Amino acid sequence: QITLKESGPTLVKPTETLTLTCTFSGFSLTAPGAGMGWIRQPPGKALEWLAVIYWDDDKRYSPSLNPRLTITKDTSENQVVLTMTNMDPADTGTYYCAHRRDAYDILTNYFDYWGQGTLVTVSS
Amino acid sequence: DIQMTQSPSSLSASVGDRVTITCRASQSISTYLNWYQHKVGKAPKLLIYAASTKQSGAPSRFSGSGSGTDFTLTISSLQPEDFATYYCQQSYDLPVTFGQGTRLEIK
Repeated sequence: QITLKESGPTLVKPTETLTLTCTFSGFSLTAPGAGMGWIRQPPGKALEWLAVIYWDDDKRYSPSLNPRLTITKDTSENQVVLTMTNMDPADTGTYYCAHRRDAYDILTNYFDYWGQGTLVTVSS
Repeated sequence: DIQMTQSPSSLSASVGDRVTITCRASQSISTYLNWYQHKVGKAPKLLIYAASTKQSGAPSRFSGSGSGTDFTLTISSLQPEDFATYYCQQSYDLPVTFGQGTRLEIK
């Protein structure tokens, strides 16, 4: 079965760079149609999509956060990494990685398996 | 970006009630609409995709309908484990966008 687990720092300082790793099993990110995404939830707020990476290494980002985000994959380690630069207290929240339902159309993105999430606090 | 608006933002209901949550898209998205259930401290769970297709494992009391800009999620008979926050999400175009959520509380 598909499992995902996020890891990374729980506390970062303002202006620092956040690096989160999602380690997954149960599927191959090289299989045509595969993809993985990152979604976050600030405390008391709604889910917010951040980025997605596809089987062919195509990547798409939230326009509002695009300059600060980078998503990469390491298929040999079954990991996807998200980096977010210039962290701000407004970036505090729970960060989830999620498996994108297989689809060749990169515009069709929804998420059928999620990690438990990792809480990141931005504070000096 | 496609804006997703859910109503109501919160809802109080009793076990056994029939509940309907609505989601409206700012433009037509055909049936590219998905529903998630999210409980505090847990991973969000996909309930419905493509507006009306139940995800494997989703209880039969959950159903979805709609197309174009207006969609609904219906729970036919609320169970104690259904109290959670529900989100709609469009998968018609990038960027992916979610509704603001509907918090379903026990009356």
